[in-house]
Amino acid sequence: EIVMTQSPATLSVSPGDGATLSCRASQSVSSNLAWYQHKPGQAPRLLIYGASTRATGIPARFSGSGSGTEFTLTISSLQSEDFAVYYCQQFNNWPITFGQGTRLEIK
Amino acid sequence: EVQLVESGGGLVQPGGSLRLSCAASGFTFSSYEMNWVRQAPGKGLEWVSYISSSGSTIYYADSVKGRFTISRDNAKNSLYLQMNSLRAEDTAVYYCARDRKVEDWPFFDYWGQGTLVTVSS
Repeated sequence: EIVMTQSPATLSVSPGDGATLSCRASQSVSSNLAWYQHKPGQAPRLLIYGASTRATGIPARFSGSGSGTEFTLTISSLQSEDFAVYYCQQFNNWPITFGQGTRLEIK
Repeated sequence: EVQLVESGGGLVQPGGSLRLSCAASGFTFSSYEMNWVRQAPGKGLEWVSYISSSGSTIYYADSVKGRFTISRDNAKNSLYLQMNSLRAEDTAVYYCARDRKVEDWPFFDYWGQGTLVTVSS
């Protein structure tokens, strides 16, 4: 099983600032990686697929990069609605696995 | 508009059974692979099971293998998860999620709102 490790567990950022979230895979997942945003009581929302392609309707302030084992989700100029938990997910091997999540909180 | 609506959650005793349903609308259900994902209280997302569009290919997480069964009825636009021998650690919100690929890159593009399963005596 591929283990996905996200860091940091919690990130405190002020609105208007940028944030960088990391995701590391225990073995290469190529670019078979997606990022999701999850808020309490809501369905998870797809942000990025193929490691770097924004999903339909996702603002340009969200960007993804990386391949192999190291991935980054960057959010520029944080808006109030961006404070949530973010998960990476690999599709390269079964079972599909998620990272444990990074909580992005208001500083 | 794509909609996925889960139902069937509730309180069940350890060792009991429950059947979850996911009603799909707004798209051609029979053309899409589907998944179940869960989130235990205070924990992250955990993939549970996958089923191909025809139902011929199925995968399970090790944590549920042998106890859970995924199925679908394309005529009824519905996805199911039969959960047997339930344990306290199966307590979670269960989501159904649509699987999609663009240029060979897979992802879950639509998710339901989830249904809560609580396993407790």
